[in-house]
Amino acid sequence: AQSVTQPDIHITVSEGASLELRCNYSYGATPYLFWYVQSPGQGLQLLLKYFSGDTLVQGIKGFEAEFKRSQSSFNLRKPSVHWSDAAEYFCAVGSAGGTSYGKLTFGQGTILTVHP
Amino acid sequence: ETGVTQTPRHLVMGMTNKKSLKCEQHLGHNAMYWYKQSAKKPLELMFVYSLEERVENNSVPSRFSPECPNSSHLFLHLHTLQPEDSALYLCASSQVRGWGEQFFGPGTRLTVL
Repeated sequence: AQSVTQPDIHITVSEGASLELRCNYSYGATPYLFWYVQSPGQGLQLLLKYFSGDTLVQGIKGFEAEFKRSQSSFNLRKPSVHWSDAAEYFCAVGSAGGTSYGKLTFGQGTILTVHP
Repeated sequence: ETGVTQTPRHLVMGMTNKKSLKCEQHLGHNAMYWYKQSAKKPLELMFVYSLEERVENNSVPSRFSPECPNSSHLFLHLHTLQPEDSALYLCASSQVRGWGEQFFGPGTRLTVL
């Protein structure tokens, strides 16, 4: 069964500092990986996705993530955080076959607080 | 309207009430999903519809009854709910099932008294 672990429940950074949110997944084949962001009272917005090819993917709002198969990781990074980045971030793995075809499995989420 | 819309945004209901949540997608997608988001728990997939056919039901209690009359609309009918069913219910859609990103609506915040 596929699973996603986000080890950090809550991270606090200062505005302008760099950011890395961790994501580890468990999946038997090549995964489809996603990062979503959720602002309070809102739905989830896709930041970026990895399906295949270049393991460093660029997303919206200046975010990037790197797929590392050997570490089963898909960490999200941003070189300089803005106050508007404060939100909850979800990593997800998608299945492309079997009985779970089309299913997204989400991590617990990481809440990001940004200090001015 | 654009994207995925959900109504109502907030709903308070008693355990004996019957209510429905509505989701509409304006993206021309063929797959739609219901998720439950509870505090301190990961998002839980409840139902998947592909081309109006229910293709997945993740052991959801029968007090939740989905309906997909066409590829643009998805309903979640609620009856005799329990307080533990209080959560944010999110609807999502994707172009085809199992491929590409899912687009989420803003959710319905449900409180069961």
